[in-house]
Amino acid sequence: AQKVTQAQTEISVVEKEDVTLDCVYETRDTTYYLFWYKQPPSGELVFLIRRNSFDEQNEISGRYSWNFQKSTSSFNFTITASQVVDSAVYFCALRAPNSGGYNKLIFGAGTRLAVHP
Amino acid sequence: DAGVTQSPTHLIKTRGQQVTLRCSPKSGHDTVSWYQQALGQGPQFIFQYYEEEERQRGNFPDRFSGHQFPNYSSELNVNALLLGDSALYLCASSPRGGRDIAEAFFGQGTRLTVV
Repeated sequence: AQKVTQAQTEISVVEKEDVTLDCVYETRDTTYYLFWYKQPPSGELVFLIRRNSFDEQNEISGRYSWNFQKSTSSFNFTITASQVVDSAVYFCALRAPNSGGYNKLIFGAGTRLAVHP
Repeated sequence: DAGVTQSPTHLIKTRGQQVTLRCSPKSGHDTVSWYQQALGQGPQFIFQYYEEEERQRGNFPDRFSGHQFPNYSSELNVNALLLGDSALYLCASSPRGGRDIAEAFFGQGTRLTVV
């Protein structure tokens, strides 16, 4: 079975604090893809990053960084020096092509991040 | 270039009624997927359409049906509405048969409220 767990329902921080959003996934596929999306109040899901199961390199993009660890089945997302504009719901998602999931994303329940001035 | 366009943005229906939601994909995209997002939850895959056919379906009853038109736009139909169908319905479009999900663009969704 495929599953994505985001244990943090809500996180509240003050601007300029660093914050890490946790994501734990389950799949029996050896080839799979992990994603992070941002959902602002307007509703659309904005793609942030994709990682495939063969690439465990951490990635940094500006204030965003991602830590992928297959040993713990985790794909955590860190925002450095958070800003009010980072306030949104963040979703971690899994695509497991060989388990009937070729065409779909399996999402976690999301983490609502509130950044206060 | 317009992105993914969904209509209407909000809708209120009564239990037992039927509803049709519409999605126009991003220009150049030929694949449309529909997701249901209940309040406080992550999106759940309903189905995907490619070449005017349903290619894959999630765990949703037959009350949920869809259609894709030759211009790649799509409709989601829900019959015999239940209170539990209240949710944000998201449409995502992809190019090239949806080969690369990372290329999927999501619309802003239709907020359906069933009373």
